[in-house]
Amino acid sequence: SQTIHQWPATLVQPVGSPLSLECTVEGTSNPNLYWYRQAAGRGLQLLFYSVGIGQISSEVPQNLSASRPQDRQFILSSKKLLLSDSGFYLCAWSGLAETQYFGPGTRLLVL
Amino acid sequence: SQKIEQNSEALNIQEGKTATLTCNYTNYSPAYLQWYRQDPGRGPVFLLLIRENEKEKRKERLKVTFDTTLKQSLFHITASQPADSATYLCALLSGGYNKLIFGAGTRLAVHP
Repeated sequence: SQTIHQWPATLVQPVGSPLSLECTVEGTSNPNLYWYRQAAGRGLQLLFYSVGIGQISSEVPQNLSASRPQDRQFILSSKKLLLSDSGFYLCAWSGLAETQYFGPGTRLLVL
Repeated sequence: SQKIEQNSEALNIQEGKTATLTCNYTNYSPAYLQWYRQDPGRGPVFLLLIRENEKEKRKERLKVTFDTTLKQSLFHITASQPADSATYLCALLSGGYNKLIFGAGTRLAVHP
């Protein structure tokens, strides 16, 4: 069966520090991968998606970047965090079916 | 651009009653619409998908309807239980690669 992992689960970082969040998927090949951010009480905002290794599409201009160095690994990064980067970050994957499967999320607090 | 509206106010109902949640969208009718459940501090979990040519879909105590004329989907939970308490998100297909646009969700609280 397929599983999706995210780490860390929680992160507190100072403004201006770098960021690296990791997402890995097991049990499937060539998945579509997605990064979302969810602000408190808000809906999910799609940040990036990837359909293959090295292929990244950005949905909104922002302070973040994404990379896909391996088929089942998706990384969200920032060189310098802003206060507005705080939120709940979710990684998801989809295969041939239209359903998206979400990871447990990373709660990021920028102080 | 496509917008999704879900009732932002929490829905409080008594155990055993039917909960009905609404999802309205503004522009083109998508090829399909999905409903997800999200518990606090967790990622969303897929519940049901309904396609544009389907009027109704059922899964156990869950039922979803899709009215492309009204641009609306209704999500019903019959015989609700306290364990059904969660936030329910509506999502529409938005472009290729199974990209989805999500509503803000409606929080459901089922009281014993």
